[in-house]
Amino acid sequence: GESVGLHLPTLSVQEGDNSIINCAYSNSASDYFIWYKQESGKGPQFIIDIRSNMDKRQGQRVTVLLNKTVKHLSLQIAATQPGDSAVYFCAEIRTSYDKVIFGPGTSLSVIP
Amino acid sequence: GAVVSQHPSRVICKSGTSVKIECRSLDFQATTMFWYRQFPKKSLMLMATSNEGSKATYEQGVEKDKFLINHASLTLSTLTVTSAHPEDSSFYICSARTHGGTGELFFGEGSRLTVL
Repeated sequence: GESVGLHLPTLSVQEGDNSIINCAYSNSASDYFIWYKQESGKGPQFIIDIRSNMDKRQGQRVTVLLNKTVKHLSLQIAATQPGDSAVYFCAEIRTSYDKVIFGPGTSLSVIP
Repeated sequence: GAVVSQHPSRVICKSGTSVKIECRSLDFQATTMFWYRQFPKKSLMLMATSNEGSKATYEQGVEKDKFLINHASLTLSTLTVTSAHPEDSSFYICSARTHGGTGELFFGEGSRLTVL
């Protein structure tokens, strides 16, 4: 399959600190990107999205940065809280092809 | 936001039996639904893309005769794991895209299949 089946990298942060989760995407033709949060035993939840004509988008406590030159996406979470502990996936979409491909994911653990 | 419901959330079956998982869009019409498989501590792997009224498009390496997908209406897609074996045990997740939408996907809560 196209998705990468690697073991999850982990990131541990202290409560209140900022978190940065990185993702490299595979196809320069991808034009829409989404970050998802997945808690244990549940389906992915939408966090924030960004289109390829933008390089930054902000939401509530979250910011997504897109660097198309190096095909890199990052998710910044401000003032990380225990409830932010989850696995975070980036997803790339080629809207003309209507297919969503997930990155390998990062497990975020917030230390109280 | 839009809601996608999966049923059953958990199922245990014996080897050799078939299991059907339903994916419903509750408050919108979904012309396209996607089926994913997820192993523990791994990413979601796209299995197939299901379009209402037509045959599903399977990803490379996914057996279409093993994983039967039916998208008979704009609100329902089903995945049937035929002649299940222990290696089919996994977390299966569906997602649905709104008709004429911008590409945002809504995910179901997943179905955990355990084959004994």
